[in-house]
Amino acid sequence: EIVLTQSPDTLSLSPGERATLSCRASQSVGSNYLAWYQQRPGQAPRLLIYGASNRATGIPDSFSGSGSGTDFTLTISRLEPEDFAFYYCQQYGRSGRLTFGGGTKVEIK
Amino acid sequence: QVQLQESGPGLVKPSETLSLTCTVSGGSISSYYWSWIRQSPGKGLEWIGYIYSSGSTNYNPSLKSRITISIDTSRNQFALKLSSVTAADTAVYYCARIKRLELDYWGQGTLVTVSS
Repeated sequence: EIVLTQSPDTLSLSPGERATLSCRASQSVGSNYLAWYQQRPGQAPRLLIYGASNRATGIPDSFSGSGSGTDFTLTISRLEPEDFAFYYCQQYGRSGRLTFGGGTKVEIK
Repeated sequence: QVQLQESGPGLVKPSETLSLTCTVSGGSISSYYWSWIRQSPGKGLEWIGYIYSSGSTNYNPSLKSRITISIDTSRNQFALKLSSVTAADTAVYYCARIKRLELDYWGQGTLVTVSS
C-alpha cells in the first residue's frame, strides 16, 4: 500500500505570500492518480487539483499542482485570507484503494 | 449541482452497528463510484470504502471485516454499516462521489459518537 507523507505539518505565512506544500509517496504514483483537497474548519474537504496538475471547476488559478512519480507539490501563488486551511493529498492505488496524506496546515503568521 | 447529504444516528453504543445513509440529489447515482470517508476529531482523512452503481465494492483493508456498503439506485442513496464499533470509530463521516480517480462532491459530514 502506498503511503503519502505531507510536509511540512504546519506552514506559517502571511497573506500575499507564496505557499509550497509537498506530498511524497512511498512508491511511484501515476500522475493521473494524485489529487489535492482544501479543508476549512468545520467544513468538508473541497477538491482543488486532480490528475496532479488540473484545477477543479471553480478553483482560482492561484492554485497549481505539479510533480510526478513520488514527489508532488501544491503551490498557492499568493495567499488570500480564505486560503488559510488544511490541505490533503490523495492517491488512487492500483488495487483501487484510496489513501490520504496526513495533511498540512497553512496558518497565518 | 450534485448534492450529498449524510443521515443517521449521532450516537452509537460500543459493540453495536453504526448505520449511515447518503442521499444524492441533483444528479443520478448511476454510472459513478460513491465513497465513504471519515475523520476522527482533530485528525486526518481516512478512506472507508466505495461502491459502484452496479453494487461492486472496495473496502479499506483495515476496516474490511466490519464494513458493508450498499446502494439503492431507485432511491438515489447508498449506505454504510460498520459493526462492532468502539470509541476509536468516533468521527465525522463523509460521503462523496468519485469522478475519474478523485472525490469531486462531498456531503457536509455527520458526527458519530460511540459512547455508552
